[in-house]
This record gives sequence, structure tokens and C-alpha cells, in this order.
Amino acid sequence: DIQLTQSPSSLSASIGDRVTITCRASQSVRFYLNWYQQKPGKAPKVLIYGASSLQGGVPSRFSGSGSETDFTLVISSLQPEDFATYYCQQSFTVPYTFGQGTNLEIK
Amino acid sequence: QLQLEESGPGLVKPSETLSLTCIVSGDSINFNSYYWDWIRQPPGKGLEWIASIYHNGRTHYSPSLGGRVTTSVEASRNQFSLRLTSVTAADTAVYYCARHREHYYGQWGQGTLVTVSP
Repeated sequence: DIQLTQSPSSLSASIGDRVTITCRASQSVRFYLNWYQQKPGKAPKVLIYGASSLQGGVPSRFSGSGSETDFTLVISSLQPEDFATYYCQQSFTVPYTFGQGTNLEIK
Repeated sequence: QLQLEESGPGLVKPSETLSLTCIVSGDSINFNSYYWDWIRQPPGKGLEWIASIYHNGRTHYSPSLGGRVTTSVEASRNQFSLRLTSVTAADTAVYYCARHREHYYGQWGQGTLVTVSP
């Protein structure tokens, strides 16, 4: 199985901050890496697919980059609605796997 | 607009079989290029992929579940199903169905909590 390791596991930040979350794969997933946002009691919502493509309707303050084994999600200026848990997920090969999650909290 | 809705019992006894259905509305489950997946999330923990099925019945399963899982499509009812046998407390989770298109999950059900308890 491909292991995905996110860092940090938790993060405290303020409104307006720039936030970076990384995801490292145990082997190459090419560009088949997606980012999801999950709020308590809700299903995850895709933000970024294919490593860097912004899903329709997602604010442009979210961006993704990377390829092969190293990927990054950036939120350029945190808004109140961005406090949530973020997961990366590889769709390169089954079994599809998720990172352990990054809990983004208000400082 | 595509909607997915999980249904099934919220409580299952240990050693019994968990059965869930995902009802698809707003699109045909027979449309090609889509996989229909099951994902679960134990309380307070992360996401775990369980199974995937193509409209033609081709399936993929998580090896971590040791052959306990099957999924199937009921095209006439526009729904797909999950069966997980010999459940234990470790199978307690919110179970989501989701559509896998172009290598990502664009649509999810709202999730259903299944508790394994005597």
C-alpha cells in the first residue's frame, strides 16, 4: 500500500495567515493526489484534484502543487470558514489511501 | 444534480453482517467512466477506503479487510451496496458512499454511522 504522511498533524493559525500543509507519499503517485476539506459531522469536500487543479466553486486562495512523492496545499489567506481538517488522498493505485489528516484550528 | 444517500441499520451485533445501500439520484449509475466507492471513518479518526465498483461490475477491495467485504451494483434501482461480514467493534464507523470520477471523489453521501455492539 502507498502510505501518505501529512505534516503537520495539527496547526494553529490566525485569520489572514498563509498556511502550508504537506503530503509525502511512500512511492510515486505521479500527479494523482487530491486534497479534501472536512468539517465536523460533514462529508469531505474536494478542493484540489490531480495535484494542482482547483475544483469548481472552491475559492482561489486554495492551491496545490507537487508531483511524484511530494505535494503541498496552500491557503493563501485564511478565512473563518477554512478551519477544518484537511486530507490528502492518492488515486494512483488501489488500495486508495488517505493521509492521516491535518487539523487546522484558530489561534 | 447528483445526490448519494446511504441507508441501512445503525446498529449491528458483533460477528454479524453489515449491509448498506447507496441510493444514487440525479445521474445513472450505468454511466461509464465512474467508479462507485465506499469509504469509512471511525469516530474521531481518519478516512479509510473500503471498496470500489465499476458500472460493469468490476470491483476492487481493501486488502486490510481480509476478504470480508463485497460490493455490488443494482442498476435497475440505481443503487449500489456494501456487505461486510464478521464485524467487530473495530468496524464501528461513519460509512460514506462516493462517486469516483477522473481520479477523485467529487460527490459524497452524507454518511451513516454504524455501531457494532451487542
